[in-house]
Amino acid sequence: DAGVIQSPRHEVTEMGQEVTLRCKPISGHNSLFWYRQTMMRGLELLIYFNNNVPIDDSGMPEDRFSAKMPNASFSTLKIQPSEPRDSAVYFCASSLRDDTEAFFGQGTRLTVV
Amino acid sequence: DQQVKQNSPSLSVQEGRISILNCDYTNSMFDYFLWYKKYPAEGPTFLISISSIKDKNEDGRFTVFLNKSAKHLSLHIVPSQPGDSAVYFCADYRFYNNNDMRFGAGTRLTVKP
Repeated sequence: DAGVIQSPRHEVTEMGQEVTLRCKPISGHNSLFWYRQTMMRGLELLIYFNNNVPIDDSGMPEDRFSAKMPNASFSTLKIQPSEPRDSAVYFCASSLRDDTEAFFGQGTRLTVV
Repeated sequence: DQQVKQNSPSLSVQEGRISILNCDYTNSMFDYFLWYKKYPAEGPTFLISISSIKDKNEDGRFTVFLNKSAKHLSLHIVPSQPGDSAVYFCADYRFYNNNDMRFGAGTRLTVKP
């Protein structure tokens, strides 16, 4: 398996624009996590899904952020409208339900100017 | 409120010496603690875990100690190598709470040759 695949790897956008980050989890994994990493706050859990259902989105910073998982092999994290303070690296991870280890993608570096 | 805290943002150690990375937590309802290592421009990778029913787990140069009464765990790397230089995250994992994971802010370890 190719592992967790995120796209794009880098995204530069202007303030106010919509940004969509994409994630393909490892085939057969039932749980999917979205994280944000910044210098100030480290690695933050934004939202996670079990069997395509959002379980806890309490980490989503505000209504401008939304995440979907329309099927077991694809998830998106959308920011609309984007702001400079959203600049960070966004990671997606997946895991089996009965496994402690989560596998991470390589992240998307988002820069909002 | 941060449930998992890594109070030292950075640590510098001489090659061959022991590196000790610390983590404190507030929520006792966890199943495992996990340590992840992250190199620049890469996603975090799983390093080692410890079950809530154990107080020590060892894997090669890496040993994790769990002190439940103090709500504290630590990762020991002996001997430290320059390739260990990375950011280390601890995370609590609750299997029975739908695979919920909460990360600390990370500690940047630098191992000097």
